[in-house]
Amino acid sequence: DVKVTQSSRYLVKRTGEKVFLECVQDMDHENMFWYRQDPGLGLRLIYFSYDVKMKEKGDIPEGYSVSREKKERFSLILESASTNQTSMYLCASGKQGAGENSPLHFGNGTRLTVT
Amino acid sequence: DQQVKQNSPSLSVQEGRISILNCDYTNSMFDYFLWYKKYPAEGPTFLISISSIKDKNEDGRFTVFLNKSAKHLSLHIVPSQPGDSAVYFCAAPGGNEKLTFGTGTRLTIIP
Repeated sequence: DVKVTQSSRYLVKRTGEKVFLECVQDMDHENMFWYRQDPGLGLRLIYFSYDVKMKEKGDIPEGYSVSREKKERFSLILESASTNQTSMYLCASGKQGAGENSPLHFGNGTRLTVT
Repeated sequence: DQQVKQNSPSLSVQEGRISILNCDYTNSMFDYFLWYKKYPAEGPTFLISISSIKDKNEDGRFTVFLNKSAKHLSLHIVPSQPGDSAVYFCAAPGGNEKLTFGTGTRLTIIP
């Protein structure tokens, strides 16, 4: 079974802090993604990566950056946390080129509160 | 521009009856569609998919129907069970192997 592990379930940070959200997958997947989930807005893509050291902006990248130094690890960085970044953050991984037969696998999420 | 839309934020269904969740899309080039289920405090889990060349796919109590002319898909759950209470997201490939998700429908099964 694919396992996607997010390092923290709950985080509380202050406005202006630099925040790191870590994600590790154990299935040697090429693709990794960061989404955020907000009520009424569904899942929105922040950043994704197809390979080590590669990154692509998603639909809402502003205020975020990412790092992928190893294939299994994908980090989301909030450079200066703001209250509108309070959200549930979900990491996912997927096999490249798999299409409908190998959908994304998600971690259990990190609920971040910025005060 | 939201390419995948779920217009019903919530749905309540009696246990044992049929649950029907709907999803509309705008891009006729989508190759396939997926449904994910999400419990509180957990990540979404894949439920069922359908290729754009099919109009129906069934897996146990779950069936997804695709109407390409109407750009509409629906997920049928029958019979509905209390454990089906969750948020359901439809999704489609948004290009470059990323998924675009709808806003979700919260399904509540009433015992």
